[in-house]
Amino acid sequence: TQLLEQSPQFLSIQEGENLTVYCNSSSVFSSLQWYRQEPGEGPVLLVTVVTGGEVKKLKRLTFQFGDARKDSSLHITAAQPGDTGLYLCAVQGAQKLVFGQGTRLTINP
Amino acid sequence: SQTIHQWPATLVQPVGSPLSLECTVEGTSNPNLYWYRQAAGRGLQLLFYSIGIDQISSEVPQNLSASRPQDRQFILSSKKLLLSDSGFYLCAWSVKPYEQYFGPGTRLTVT
Repeated sequence: TQLLEQSPQFLSIQEGENLTVYCNSSSVFSSLQWYRQEPGEGPVLLVTVVTGGEVKKLKRLTFQFGDARKDSSLHITAAQPGDTGLYLCAVQGAQKLVFGQGTRLTINP
Repeated sequence: SQTIHQWPATLVQPVGSPLSLECTVEGTSNPNLYWYRQAAGRGLQLLFYSIGIDQISSEVPQNLSASRPQDRQFILSSKKLLLSDSGFYLCAWSVKPYEQYFGPGTRLTVT
């Protein structure tokens, strides 16, 4: 059983559409991070959320931490081909992060 | 600013051969260091992490080992590679416990 469940596993949409991906758990976390990984590269930290209900925006990306701090969502507005990649959520364990399996997002021109 | 280097970028090795992957970090002191493996573009499997020189924790029993001979150097090794060792190997560092910064990765193919 995965500590973090990310959905959907795969998502392919057209440029200009909006989308939301999810990171869910039955556990409560003190913080949660989102990373994006492009093919052949290492993941890059996008954001850290720490407060229940917190919303953070990064250009066209909106991140929300659930009120109970058990889940998070990433919403992308007007998706662009440059948004293509593997989106990973992660939570803090003892001296390490625990990652979800990721959502592979493809934006078609 | 901090930077992390990994080499080599790609590696093709026969089954049974040894392995040594190196990771170095610049611009920070006493970071936590991590080795991950990623198969088929999916999630990250934590292999080893280190909170200090010669302090290594292993997450998955396997034929790999890790060493940290210097504060900002982390090495992943194997005496005899298996086909199942193929994958994308990523090194990462952190100072804050919940934010990690990844290197560019090494693509290992065992033939």
